[in-house]
Amino acid sequence: EVQLVESGGRLIQPGGSLRLSCDVSGFTVKSSYMGWVRQAPGKGLEWVSVIYMSGSRYYAESMKGRFTISRDDSKNTLYLQLNSVRADDTAVYYCARCAMIRGVLFDSWGQGTLVTVSS
Amino acid sequence: DELTQPPSVSVAPGQTATITCGGSNIEGKSVNWYQQKPGQAPLLVIYDDSDRPSGIPGRFSGSYSGTTATLTISRVEDGDEAAYYCQVWDGMADHVLFGGGTKLTVL
Repeated sequence: EVQLVESGGRLIQPGGSLRLSCDVSGFTVKSSYMGWVRQAPGKGLEWVSVIYMSGSRYYAESMKGRFTISRDDSKNTLYLQLNSVRADDTAVYYCARCAMIRGVLFDSWGQGTLVTVSS
Repeated sequence: DELTQPPSVSVAPGQTATITCGGSNIEGKSVNWYQQKPGQAPLLVIYDDSDRPSGIPGRFSGSYSGTTATLTISRVEDGDEAAYYCQVWDGMADHVLFGGGTKLTVL
């Protein structure tokens, strides 16, 4: 059974740093495309980042240079490092397994972890 | 870069709901659709314009014409009440685009 479990979300002050984790089971991160999607309170889905099997990484413009996606193949875990966070980074962050079918799509999702940026 | 969806759609049980997703960014791209119920993670319901993942009822279907993709839900049930999002992949920029979402209300 495919499972993704996010952790690491918490209350953090503006300008701070935070690392989110996504532990997966039922498949391996090194053999999958993986991504992060976030959702601000009461808002729609917003793509954050994706990492290919090759290790290539892509980011939404507003997060480029502040967020870093990575994976630990030995732990079968996906990460998202958030730096210089702002109030508008407040959101539930979802980890998702991606498939590449004429483009990236998200075929399995975790339940999300809440990041709240506030002083 | 935008994918335009109507903010809301209302339909009576047993009727057909249609949710559109439009924009120049759609042309020539594969469109995926997600259902999100309150407090839950999104669920893929249609991929590559019109294919259904296993476990998704046949009442859900997708189509695509020109610059508009459409999600159609036939014989709507109370349990279909949710937000629905379209999504495409911009291969030129290696970016993902989501539509703004449509709230489906079952009357």
